[in-house]
Amino acid sequence: GENVEQHPSTLSVQEGDSAVIKCTYSDSASNYFPWYKQELGKRPQLIIDIRSNVGEKKDQRIAVTLNKTAKHFSLHITETQPEDSAVYFCAASGKYGNKLVFGAGTILRVKS
Amino acid sequence: DGGITQSPKYLFRKEGQNVTLSCEQNLNHDAMYWYRQDPGQGLRLIYYSQIVNDFQKGDIAEGYSVSREKKESFPLTVTSAQKNPTAFYLCASSNVATTNEQFFGPGTRLTVL
Repeated sequence: GENVEQHPSTLSVQEGDSAVIKCTYSDSASNYFPWYKQELGKRPQLIIDIRSNVGEKKDQRIAVTLNKTAKHFSLHITETQPEDSAVYFCAASGKYGNKLVFGAGTILRVKS
Repeated sequence: DGGITQSPKYLFRKEGQNVTLSCEQNLNHDAMYWYRQDPGQGLRLIYYSQIVNDFQKGDIAEGYSVSREKKESFPLTVTSAQKNPTAFYLCASSNVATTNEQFFGPGTRLTVL
């Protein structure tokens, strides 16, 4: 089945710097790649997603890039702010559509 | 809050007891999911259902059971066969016809005493 690896497990950046989180997946049939943000004790919330027919997608300070050939995708956060501090999860849809497989998560700390 | 609710927020169980976690959604979503979250790990799929009266095992179904008698409801029972049930449990739902996006409930934290 699908396997998703996420790196790094923790990331500390200075406020205003950029943060990049990378994920790789194993199933070449996967076609949907969401990123979720989870604050302490809260539910995960979708922040951006990308489908396999697109190489890059941006939403204000957040962008996601996808390399289907290499089977990896990345989350880019620019001009980080303290409120960006949270755990970020990547995921990939498996062979059968809506079933998502999640990475282990990245703890992002933005220092002010 | 996305129209998906879970109860209770906190649940304490003695060893050997079965407990049932509630998940309800008013989003008219066909698909519903249960995940388990442990510290330092991602979300692991327990069970999912794409239509009423049908559900499939996820990656860690042993010791759990579900039912899907109504579109709005997808309760999860943690049985005494689950050896390490202490965790944060998240329910999610999605509209399979239009998007893969999953909406999550607020979660239930289960502690075995």
